[in-house]
Amino acid sequence: QVQLVQSGAEVKKPGASVKVSCKASGYTFTGYYMHWVRQAPGQGLEWMGRINPNSGGTNYAQKFQGRVTMTRDTSISTAYMELSRLRSDDTAVYYCASLSNPANYWGQGTLVTVSS
Amino acid sequence: DIQMTQSPSSVSASVGDRVTITCRASQGISSWLAWYQQKPGKAPKLLIYAASSLQSGVPSRFSGSGSGTDFTLTISSLQPEDFATYYCQQANSFPVTFGGGTKVEIK
Repeated sequence: QVQLVQSGAEVKKPGASVKVSCKASGYTFTGYYMHWVRQAPGQGLEWMGRINPNSGGTNYAQKFQGRVTMTRDTSISTAYMELSRLRSDDTAVYYCASLSNPANYWGQGTLVTVSS
Repeated sequence: DIQMTQSPSSVSASVGDRVTITCRASQGISSWLAWYQQKPGKAPKLLIYAASSLQSGVPSRFSGSGSGTDFTLTISSLQPEDFATYYCQQANSFPVTFGGGTKVEIK
C-alpha cells in the first residue's frame, strides 16, 4: 500500500533551519508531484509548495519564497523540505502529500517547534 | 491568490442529522475543488475531488456539488465517526489554497 513516512519531530531555535524528509513507497515516486502543507497549532492548512520528483522543478508559495527549498532523491524515493531563518510562528506540523486526486496520499506529519 | 471561504466555521449537530457545509471561491475554479476530513492529530483525508467525485472507500453519505465559485459538502446522516473538521481546497491555480475549516461538533 502507498505510504509516505516523514522524519521525526524537531525543536529548533529562532534563526535556524530545519530539513524534513518524506519517504514514499507503494507507488512510482516520480509519477506524482510532492506537495508540502503545514498546519500551525489549532489553525488551518497552508500550502507551501510542490516539487516534480521527475525533473526536480519546484513551485513555491510567495510567502515562503527565499526561505524554503524542496529537493528530492529519486534513488531512495524521498522528498525533502528545508525551511530556513525559522521564527516562532513557523511552529507547526509539516505534511508531505501527493494531492494528485484521486491519488491523494499524506504523510503522518512532522512537528517542528521553534523556541528559544 | 484565490481565497476560499467556508461557512459555517462550526456546527453542532446530532447523530442522524443532515449537515451542509459551503465553500465559496473568490474567483471561478471550474470543478477543481476537493473536500477533506481531519481528525485531531491526524493528516487530512480526501473525501471528494473534482467537486462531486467520491473518493474510493468513502461512505456514500458524503456528497459534493457545485462548480465555478460555490460548492457544497453534504453529510446526509451524520454518524459518530463524522465529528471532525472539514476543509475545502482549490487546485485550479497556484498557490493551492484551503478554506478555513468547519468543525462539526456533537450537539
